[in-house]
Amino acid sequence: SQQGEEDPQALSIQEGENATMNCSYKTSINNLQWYRQNSGRGLVHLILIRSNEREKHSGRLRVTLDTSKKSSSLLITASRAADTASYFCATVPFSGYSTLTFGKGTMLLVSP
Amino acid sequence: EPEVTQTPSHQVTQMGQEVILRCVPISNHLYFYWYRQILGQKVEFLVSFYNNEISEKSEIFDDQFSVERPDGSNFTLKIRSTKLEDSAMYFCASSPGLAVSRQYFGPGTRLTVT
Repeated sequence: SQQGEEDPQALSIQEGENATMNCSYKTSINNLQWYRQNSGRGLVHLILIRSNEREKHSGRLRVTLDTSKKSSSLLITASRAADTASYFCATVPFSGYSTLTFGKGTMLLVSP
Repeated sequence: EPEVTQTPSHQVTQMGQEVILRCVPISNHLYFYWYRQILGQKVEFLVSFYNNEISEKSEIFDDQFSVERPDGSNFTLKIRSTKLEDSAMYFCASSPGLAVSRQYFGPGTRLTVT
Protein backbone atom coordinates (compact mmCIF):
# COMPACT_ATOMS: atom_id res chain seq x y z
CA SER A 1 0.00 0.00 0.00
CA GLN A 2 1.07 3.56 -0.48
CA GLN A 3 1.78 6.28 2.05
CA GLY A 4 -1.47 7.48 3.58
CA GLU A 5 -3.94 4.76 2.70
CA GLU A 6 -7.39 5.13 4.16
CA ASP A 7 -9.98 2.52 4.78
CA PRO A 8 -12.73 1.98 4.22
CA GLN A 9 -12.88 3.50 0.76
CA ALA A 10 -16.55 4.27 1.30
CA LEU A 11 -18.71 4.40 4.40
CA SER A 12 -22.45 4.82 4.58
CA ILE A 13 -24.15 5.52 7.92
CA GLN A 14 -27.25 7.09 9.40
CA GLU A 15 -27.36 10.46 11.09
CA GLY A 16 -26.47 10.20 14.73
CA GLU A 17 -24.14 7.25 14.25
CA ASN A 18 -20.39 7.46 14.67
CA ALA A 19 -18.06 7.21 11.69
CA THR A 20 -14.56 5.80 11.97
CA MET A 21 -12.00 6.10 9.23
CA ASN A 22 -8.52 4.64 9.34
CA CYS A 23 -5.27 5.65 7.72
CA SER A 24 -2.02 3.75 7.41
CA TYR A 25 1.32 5.09 6.30
CA LYS A 26 4.78 3.74 5.67
CA THR A 27 7.51 6.24 6.50
CA SER A 28 8.42 8.15 9.67
CA ILE A 29 6.36 11.27 10.05
CA ASN A 30 6.54 14.65 11.70
CA ASN A 31 2.76 14.94 11.82
CA LEU A 32 -0.41 13.61 10.29
CA GLN A 33 -3.32 15.75 9.20
CA TRP A 34 -6.90 15.04 8.26
CA TYR A 35 -8.70 17.00 5.57
CA ARG A 36 -12.23 17.04 4.33
CA GLN A 37 -13.36 17.66 0.77
CA ASN A 38 -16.89 18.21 -0.36
CA SER A 39 -17.55 16.97 -3.88
CA GLY A 40 -15.49 18.96 -6.38
CA ARG A 41 -14.51 21.55 -3.83
CA GLY A 42 -11.41 22.59 -1.91
CA LEU A 43 -9.68 20.91 0.99
CA VAL A 44 -10.65 21.89 4.50
CA HIS A 45 -8.15 21.21 7.25
CA LEU A 46 -9.71 19.36 10.17
CA ILE A 47 -7.01 18.46 12.62
CA LEU A 48 -3.24 17.97 12.94
CA ILE A 49 -1.66 15.45 15.26
CA ARG A 50 2.07 15.46 15.90
CA SER A 51 4.15 12.32 16.02
CA ASN A 52 4.60 12.62 19.78
CA GLU A 53 0.84 12.87 20.38
CA ARG A 54 -1.46 9.90 20.72
CA GLU A 55 -4.89 11.45 20.70
CA LYS A 56 -6.46 14.77 19.88
CA HIS A 57 -9.97 16.13 20.01
CA SER A 58 -11.70 18.94 18.17
CA GLY A 59 -15.43 19.27 18.64
CA ARG A 60 -17.01 16.05 17.36
CA LEU A 61 -13.70 14.86 15.93
CA ARG A 62 -11.32 12.51 17.67
CA VAL A 63 -8.03 11.52 16.08
CA THR A 64 -5.65 8.87 17.32
CA LEU A 65 -2.13 8.16 16.18
CA ASP A 66 -0.17 4.96 16.71
CA THR A 67 3.34 5.50 15.39
CA SER A 68 4.37 1.93 16.23
CA LYS A 69 1.69 0.65 13.87
CA LYS A 70 2.00 3.64 11.54
CA SER A 71 -1.72 4.20 11.64
CA SER A 72 -4.25 6.84 12.55
CA SER A 73 -7.98 6.92 12.95
CA LEU A 74 -10.53 9.69 12.62
CA LEU A 75 -13.75 9.34 14.58
CA ILE A 76 -16.69 11.61 13.88
CA THR A 77 -19.27 11.31 16.63
CA ALA A 78 -22.99 11.94 16.26
CA SER A 79 -22.69 12.37 12.52
CA ARG A 80 -24.87 14.76 10.54
CA ALA A 81 -25.92 14.79 6.90
CA ALA A 82 -23.63 17.81 6.49
CA ASP A 83 -20.65 15.58 7.32
CA THR A 84 -21.10 13.88 3.95
CA ALA A 85 -17.78 14.39 2.18
CA SER A 86 -14.49 12.69 1.38
CA TYR A 87 -11.95 12.53 4.17
CA PHE A 88 -8.23 12.33 3.53
CA CYS A 89 -5.29 11.76 5.77
CA ALA A 90 -2.02 13.42 4.81
CA THR A 91 1.40 12.88 6.30
CA VAL A 92 4.32 15.24 6.67
CA PRO A 93 7.65 13.43 6.63
CA PHE A 94 10.14 13.45 9.44
CA SER A 95 12.77 14.81 7.04
CA GLY A 96 11.90 18.41 7.73
CA TYR A 97 10.27 19.08 4.41
CA SER A 98 6.65 20.06 4.57
CA THR A 99 5.30 18.12 1.63
CA LEU A 100 1.92 16.60 2.30
CA THR A 101 1.40 13.06 1.03
CA PHE A 102 -2.28 12.31 0.75
CA GLY A 103 -4.14 9.04 0.85
CA LYS A 104 -6.93 8.09 -1.51
CA GLY A 105 -9.59 9.06 0.96
CA THR A 106 -12.74 7.68 2.48
CA MET A 107 -16.04 8.78 1.00
CA LEU A 108 -18.51 9.22 3.84
CA LEU A 109 -22.24 9.33 3.19
CA VAL A 110 -24.46 10.26 6.10
CA SER A 111 -28.13 9.67 5.43
CA PRO A 112 -30.81 11.65 7.27
CA GLU B 1 -10.09 33.16 9.16
CA PRO B 2 -7.74 34.32 6.39
CA GLU B 3 -8.10 32.52 3.08
CA VAL B 4 -6.03 31.47 0.12
CA THR B 5 -7.68 32.56 -3.11
CA GLN B 6 -7.26 31.12 -6.58
CA THR B 7 -8.24 32.32 -10.03
CA PRO B 8 -9.80 31.33 -12.27
CA SER B 9 -12.11 28.77 -10.70
CA HIS B 10 -12.36 26.93 -14.03
CA GLN B 11 -10.08 27.13 -17.03
CA VAL B 12 -10.66 25.41 -20.34
CA THR B 13 -7.77 25.29 -22.78
CA GLN B 14 -6.74 23.46 -25.89
CA MET B 15 -3.94 20.93 -25.90
CA GLY B 16 -0.58 22.59 -26.51
CA GLN B 17 -1.63 25.94 -25.09
CA GLU B 18 0.04 27.63 -22.15
CA VAL B 19 -1.95 28.28 -19.00
CA ILE B 20 -1.20 30.28 -15.89
CA LEU B 21 -3.01 29.49 -12.70
CA ARG B 22 -3.00 32.19 -10.08
CA CYS B 23 -3.03 32.08 -6.32
CA VAL B 24 -2.94 34.68 -3.58
CA PRO B 25 -1.54 33.05 -0.44
CA ILE B 26 -2.25 34.31 3.05
CA SER B 27 -0.28 37.49 3.48
CA ASN B 28 2.15 36.61 6.27
CA HIS B 29 2.83 33.07 5.09
CA LEU B 30 6.27 32.12 3.88
CA TYR B 31 5.79 28.70 2.26
CA PHE B 32 3.76 28.08 -0.85
CA TYR B 33 2.66 24.90 -2.55
CA TRP B 34 0.88 23.54 -5.58
CA TYR B 35 -0.97 20.25 -5.55
CA ARG B 36 -3.18 18.64 -8.14
CA GLN B 37 -6.02 16.15 -8.05
CA ILE B 38 -7.02 14.25 -11.14
CA LEU B 39 -10.73 13.44 -11.05
CA GLY B 40 -11.42 10.55 -8.72
CA GLN B 41 -7.83 10.26 -7.59
CA LYS B 42 -5.85 11.43 -4.61
CA VAL B 43 -4.27 14.81 -4.15
CA GLU B 44 -0.67 14.86 -5.38
CA PHE B 45 2.12 17.22 -4.43
CA LEU B 46 3.69 19.20 -7.26
CA VAL B 47 6.04 21.80 -5.82
CA SER B 48 6.91 23.84 -2.76
CA PHE B 49 8.37 27.33 -2.82
CA TYR B 50 10.20 29.33 -0.18
CA ASN B 51 12.34 32.42 -0.24
CA ASN B 52 11.76 32.90 -3.96
CA GLU B 53 12.95 29.50 -4.99
CA ILE B 54 11.69 25.95 -5.34
CA SER B 55 12.44 23.97 -2.20
CA GLU B 56 11.02 20.65 -3.29
CA LYS B 57 9.31 19.22 -6.34
CA SER B 58 7.77 15.92 -7.33
CA GLU B 59 8.34 13.79 -10.41
CA ILE B 60 5.16 15.25 -11.86
CA PHE B 61 6.70 18.72 -11.88
CA ASP B 62 8.70 18.37 -15.07
CA ASP B 63 10.08 21.00 -17.44
CA GLN B 64 6.68 22.01 -18.70
CA PHE B 65 5.79 23.36 -15.26
CA SER B 66 7.14 26.49 -13.61
CA VAL B 67 6.24 28.59 -10.60
CA GLU B 68 6.76 32.23 -9.87
CA ARG B 69 6.06 34.80 -7.23
CA PRO B 70 5.99 37.86 -9.48
CA ASP B 71 5.15 40.31 -6.72
CA GLY B 72 4.53 40.32 -3.00
CA SER B 73 1.12 38.72 -3.19
CA ASN B 74 0.66 36.40 -6.18
CA PHE B 75 1.99 32.88 -6.66
CA THR B 76 1.55 31.37 -10.10
CA LEU B 77 1.79 27.96 -11.72
CA LYS B 78 2.50 27.93 -15.44
CA ILE B 79 2.02 24.94 -17.66
CA ARG B 80 3.85 25.64 -20.91
CA SER B 81 2.25 23.20 -23.32
CA THR B 82 -0.78 21.53 -21.84
CA LYS B 83 -1.60 17.88 -22.41
CA LEU B 84 -4.89 16.07 -21.99
CA GLU B 85 -3.54 14.39 -18.87
CA ASP B 86 -2.98 17.78 -17.23
CA SER B 87 -6.74 18.03 -16.76
CA ALA B 88 -7.19 18.15 -13.01
CA MET B 89 -8.06 20.33 -10.07
CA TYR B 90 -5.05 22.39 -9.05
CA PHE B 91 -4.80 23.52 -5.45
CA CYS B 92 -2.57 26.21 -4.07
CA ALA B 93 -1.65 26.15 -0.40
CA SER B 94 0.39 28.27 1.97
CA SER B 95 1.73 27.90 5.47
CA PRO B 96 3.43 30.19 7.98
CA GLY B 97 6.16 27.71 8.80
CA LEU B 98 7.56 24.36 7.87
CA ALA B 99 6.54 20.84 8.74
CA VAL B 100 4.77 21.49 12.00
CA SER B 101 2.35 23.95 10.46
CA ARG B 102 -0.92 23.16 8.81
CA GLN B 103 -1.29 24.16 5.21
CA TYR B 104 -4.12 26.42 4.14
CA PHE B 105 -5.63 25.38 0.85
CA GLY B 106 -7.35 27.49 -1.74
CA PRO B 107 -10.61 26.44 -3.40
CA GLY B 108 -8.81 25.12 -6.46
CA THR B 109 -8.78 25.77 -10.20
CA ARG B 110 -10.37 23.14 -12.37
CA LEU B 111 -8.27 22.85 -15.53
CA THR B 112 -9.84 21.13 -18.50
CA VAL B 113 -7.60 20.43 -21.49
CA THR B 114 -9.44 19.56 -24.69
